[in-house]
Amino acid sequence: DGGITQSPKYLFRKEGQNVTLSCEQNLNHDAMYWYRQDPGQGLRLIYYSQIVNDFQKGDIAEGYSVSREKKESFPLTVTSAQKNPTAFYLCASAFRRQGAGNQPQHFGDGTRLSIL
Amino acid sequence: SQKIEQNSEALNIQEGKTATLTCNYTNYSPAYLQWYRQDPGRGPVFLLLIRENEKEKRKERLKVTFDTTLKQSLFHITASQPADSATYLCALMNYGGSQGNLIFGKGTKLSVKP
Repeated sequence: DGGITQSPKYLFRKEGQNVTLSCEQNLNHDAMYWYRQDPGQGLRLIYYSQIVNDFQKGDIAEGYSVSREKKESFPLTVTSAQKNPTAFYLCASAFRRQGAGNQPQHFGDGTRLSIL
Repeated sequence: SQKIEQNSEALNIQEGKTATLTCNYTNYSPAYLQWYRQDPGRGPVFLLLIRENEKEKRKERLKVTFDTTLKQSLFHITASQPADSATYLCALMNYGGSQGNLIFGKGTKLSVKP
């Protein structure tokens, strides 16, 4: 079955620690996205990538880093610089058709990050 | 400033009635608008996409309208069922928006009572 997998489902971070959230897709999608969702807030874009070895900052990139070494994978690192990391993190992917950009996004089931 | 607003945080209706959810936007010129369903602890699931030149789109019991003059989209679920209870998100892509990124509303939590 094609899909997008996020792991772990729950993650705890200690003070000063970096943690990495995994996102893998087998949908052959070019574009991948990371969002943060807080209670009462819409999804906010952290980083996105349209192609391997390239990625762009979204609206709230500070304190986060990403890599895109493979088409299927787009891991997100929450660094110690992110002072309020407790949130629900969602990864998504989509096709990128030339001149369109109107493809639906497919989401994973999220990682809930909490501070110890 | 740019805003995308889903008017109700929560909507409670009786089974069998039609649920109508609203998405309003200001200072955007969306090329298209999407609706997603999100269940607790899960990622959003795509439901429908409507383009700026389409007035209405249907899929089974779902109907979406898009009025670029009113800057509003309405999302209807007819003959609603308790299984339709979830949070519904609207999202738009702005003309000139970088790389086709979506901007999401905060969502409306729909509860359908038996």
